[in-house]
Amino acid sequence: EDQVTQSPEALRLQEGESSSLNCSYTVSGLRGLFWYRQDPGKGPEFLFTLYSAGEEKEKERLKATLTKKESFLHITAPKPEDSATYLCAVQARSSYKLIFGSGTRLLVRP
Amino acid sequence: DAGVIQSPRHEVTEMGQEVTLRCKPISGHNSLFWYRQTMMRGLELLIYFNNNVPIDDSGMPEDRFSAKMPNASFSTLKIQPSEPRDSAVYFCASSSRAGLSLGTSGRKGTDTQYFGPGTRLTVL
Repeated sequence: EDQVTQSPEALRLQEGESSSLNCSYTVSGLRGLFWYRQDPGKGPEFLFTLYSAGEEKEKERLKATLTKKESFLHITAPKPEDSATYLCAVQARSSYKLIFGSGTRLLVRP
Repeated sequence: DAGVIQSPRHEVTEMGQEVTLRCKPISGHNSLFWYRQTMMRGLELLIYFNNNVPIDDSGMPEDRFSAKMPNASFSTLKIQPSEPRDSAVYFCASSSRAGLSLGTSGRKGTDTQYFGPGTRLTVL
């Protein structure tokens, strides 16, 4: 069964304190792994898609990496505006469905 | 460019009433998804349309739920009759997909789903 587990559930950082969020997955042939950001009261906002192990993508203070079993979202020198819930999802080659993890709630304090 | 548009943004109704949620996908996208988000279960796919045709409705919880897509720019999700356990945030998402054939090599950039702002439904 395709499954996504995110850790930690919640993370509190001081502004400027770098850290990483983890997304572990099992899927019958990975088509793509997706990272989304969700602010309270809003829909998930697309960040990255990763397709194969070893791939990396960056956007401002965020960098996503992918291995055969997990993905990391690295946050470098975060700012309070990076506070949000970060969602990871996988899509199997044989499916159109996105299987979402439960998310990591990130709080960055000034 | 306008993103996915959903209405209403908030809906409060009483148990037993009919509820209709509306979605306008991104222009040019041919796939549309309805999701439900709750604290307990996270984001769950309810139904998927491709080229206005329902492909998979296995996530629809009960016969009380129905969805239609009469044209490429409009979809509805209806709950009749509504129950308190239906209270959740309902999201619509759309993506661009060349066809139903998924292949094995993947098509980079074609499967990204873009979400609307959601409808927060409260059933009293």
